[in-house]
Amino acid sequence: DAGVTQSPTHLIKTRGQQVTLRCSPISGHKSVSWYQQVLGQGPQFIFQYYEKEERGRGNFPDRFSARQFPNYSSELNVNALLLGDSALYLCASSLVSGQGGYNEQFFGPGTRLTVL
Amino acid sequence: LAKTTQPISMDSYEGQEVNITCSHNNIATNDYITWYQQFPSQGPRFIIQGYKTKVTNEVASLFIPADRKSSTLSLPRVSLSDTAVYYCLVGTLVGGGADGLTFGKGTHLIIQP
Repeated sequence: DAGVTQSPTHLIKTRGQQVTLRCSPISGHKSVSWYQQVLGQGPQFIFQYYEKEERGRGNFPDRFSARQFPNYSSELNVNALLLGDSALYLCASSLVSGQGGYNEQFFGPGTRLTVL
Repeated sequence: LAKTTQPISMDSYEGQEVNITCSHNNIATNDYITWYQQFPSQGPRFIIQGYKTKVTNEVASLFIPADRKSSTLSLPRVSLSDTAVYYCLVGTLVGGGADGLTFGKGTHLIIQP
């Protein structure tokens, strides 16, 4: 079975531009989460979507938005890019939203975003 | 969420057993302890999870003392390919849930020949 896939692999943008990152979860997984990982730090939670609804949001500005489609794939949008948005953006999928106990998250390889 | 403290880096050699300890003094009754592994330019990968005592799988062992204020990830007979960053996570919904997973800076483990 294919794991979590993300596209594109790498992306270079300039300040002020907008970017859209894409994620396809493992088949059968209904929950998708997004994380930002700055060099040298652990991943930081941005959003969780389950059944096409936002179920959780981390401490990120409104420039960050996301959505989940009927096939459970997801897009992360970032507007008005700043230099500090340069990071590895990770997508993780899981079977459910995490309610009721342990629910392993499977991470994709990430999209490396560079803002110049 | 309970805060975790783990060494920033560790070195070892091929064939050795490596133990990485994580402190979580404020762990709550319902919290589980989970360890993830991350290679450069890849997403984190689940290694092992436990609540108390000892848990073992094909990759690692996790030792949790009775007071649960710390835990130790044990990697038997490491190889060069075990060079990675290891994250200790503590939380109720270790699958993430609506609050997501909380990662610290992790421990950068370097294995030498």
